[in-house]
Amino acid sequence: DAGVIQSPRHEVTEMGQEVTLRCKPISGHDYLFWYRQTMMRGLELLIYFNNNVPIDDSGMPEDRFSAKMPNASFSTLKIQPSEPRDSAVYFCASSESGGADTQYFGPGTRLTVL
Amino acid sequence: QKEVEQNSGPLSVPEGAIASLNCTYSDRGSQSFFWYRQYSGKSPELIMFIYSNGDKEDGRFTAQLNKASQYVSLLIRDSQPSDSATYLCAVVDNNDMRFGAGTRLTVKP
Repeated sequence: DAGVIQSPRHEVTEMGQEVTLRCKPISGHDYLFWYRQTMMRGLELLIYFNNNVPIDDSGMPEDRFSAKMPNASFSTLKIQPSEPRDSAVYFCASSESGGADTQYFGPGTRLTVL
Repeated sequence: QKEVEQNSGPLSVPEGAIASLNCTYSDRGSQSFFWYRQYSGKSPELIMFIYSNGDKEDGRFTAQLNKASQYVSLLIRDSQPSDSATYLCAVVDNNDMRFGAGTRLTVKP
């Protein structure tokens, strides 16, 4: 298996622009997680899905952030409009059972908002 | 506010020594505990998890959990330069997973 796939790997955009991050989980994994990592705040869980349904989005920072999972093999995290404080590495992870002991991280997307 | 605290380091140990990484947490209801290793520019990788008080060993790694004192530690025996990374502690309570800021470990040859 190719593992969790994220695209793009790097994104540089200007403040106010819409940003869309993409994730393909490992086939057969029913859980998908979106994380954000910054030097200041560390690694934070933003939202997770089970069987394509959002279960907990309490970590989503504000309404500018939205996430979707239209099918079992694809998820997006969208930021509109983007702000410089959104600059971070965004990780997607997937899990077969939902437990952290079976969670596999993707390589991450490094987002820079100028 | 549920907190997970780690010494940010850097922690520097000589090759072959034991590296000891510590993590404290504020929520007494926390149920499961995880250690991730993250190399610079890479994604976190799970290396140990522990649910019960006591020690859990896996190769050169030992996780220690003390729920009464609300700390979990990771010992790395016979440290190697390849162990140089940031180690993240994660604590789960009712599906709420929180990470510490991480401890940067450097193993010097």
